[in-house]
Amino acid sequence: ETGVTQTPRHLVMGMTNKKSLKCEQHLGHNAMYWYKQSAKKPLELMFVYSLEERVENNSVPSRFSPECPNSSHLFLHLHTLQPEDSALYLCASSQGRGGGYGYTFGSGTRLTVV
Amino acid sequence: QQQVKQSPQSLIVQKGGISIINCAYENTAFDYFPWYQQFPGKGPALLIAIRPDVSEKKEGRFTISFNKSAKQFSLHIMDSQPGDSATYFCAAANNNAGNMLTFGGGTRLMVKP
Repeated sequence: ETGVTQTPRHLVMGMTNKKSLKCEQHLGHNAMYWYKQSAKKPLELMFVYSLEERVENNSVPSRFSPECPNSSHLFLHLHTLQPEDSALYLCASSQGRGGGYGYTFGSGTRLTVV
Repeated sequence: QQQVKQSPQSLIVQKGGISIINCAYENTAFDYFPWYQQFPGKGPALLIAIRPDVSEKKEGRFTISFNKSAKQFSLHIMDSQPGDSATYFCAAANNNAGNMLTFGGGTRLMVKP
């Protein structure tokens, strides 16, 4: 186990559904990230939280809504998704905000929108 | 300026051979260059990293070569094994500025027995 746990591992949802992805880190890190991984864009940064505050939002559509209630938990709330949103969603954490701290990734949630 | 270009997209190597993956960057402020390894069904994991004050770093069979003047860095896997078959991502960051990692497009490596 990498220390970053993502649930569920697989999710199939209709375009009108509302679902949430959960990420939990047990490493004492204070920065957390959501990435989208697809064939078109292998690792696409979506959101960054540092000390529970959102510090970056890479022009992500509003149908994706992140939430970071504390430094150990990160959620990605999904609603009214499109088929092109089908992808692997990866959560990562790091000791500090910045690439040099090294990211620890979870195993991801494989999302299929039907 | 923020792009990291990685090549090749896919690579097939015979067992025992040398796998070489190359990356190039434009932003001269980048000061941290890691490589991540991703197996199917798993997230990427940090494999090895280098800072621009050295030209080479070796950890076991994995070596990063760094050419600051050419703004290029590469990963060499010596004595490649079938268990090395994975997707490899290079990345770069301006760590002094607290910037996020910029990832390359990935290389899918297959090592044939």
